[in-house]
Amino acid sequence: DAKTTQPPSMDCAEGRAANLPCNHSTISGNEYVYWYRQIHSQGPQYIIHGLKNNETNEMASLIITEDRKSSTLILPHATLRDTAVYYCIVRPDYKLSFGAGTTVTVRA
Amino acid sequence: KAGVTQTPRYLIKTRGQQVTLSCSPISGHRSVSWYQQTPGQGLQFLFEYFSETQRNKGNFPGRFSGRQFSNSRSEMNVSTLELGDSALYLCPVATNEKLFFGSGTQLSVL
Repeated sequence: DAKTTQPPSMDCAEGRAANLPCNHSTISGNEYVYWYRQIHSQGPQYIIHGLKNNETNEMASLIITEDRKSSTLILPHATLRDTAVYYCIVRPDYKLSFGAGTTVTVRA
Repeated sequence: KAGVTQTPRYLIKTRGQQVTLSCSPISGHRSVSWYQQTPGQGLQFLFEYFSETQRNKGNFPGRFSGRQFSNSRSEMNVSTLELGDSALYLCPVATNEKLFFGSGTQLSVL
């Protein structure tokens, strides 16, 4: 009963921007949207999170639609080290809602 | 910065053995959840503890159990290990806004 949906995979050229969409249409007003990524079998690495406003940090930008039903993670200048599985996460109750993630492959 | 410390990082066991994994959230975080992550099944919720009480439980067999101590540290125990228990076990810690993950424990059952 995943409450987030993401495309399964995405290719990106090195140096170009990568735009990763996520649908979270059942999100409620006070739920944050989190983005993490995971490489091999390591623990998830924090990227960014937001509630209503767009957010930017040194890693990425997060664009949340006005109705909050979807968001887009933007990696502005993808590098080979950004190859990973990216997860969009919401927390509707005590459980985290993970989708299957998007496998991003950055190609030289 | 890591808000969660999980030990051990890697573990190799054989079928039929039992194992205990540990999760230590940073001070003041009283809610700890456990998840199992496998390539085929993705992330599966095991259970959630708050102030030493199990509040919620996922659909795992009774071989999987856990507890939480007064200092918020949590342990998960798996008895009679099966090959299918091989997975990365994560214990994210959540506050109102923040969400913290540790490095996880990679369990391999041979």
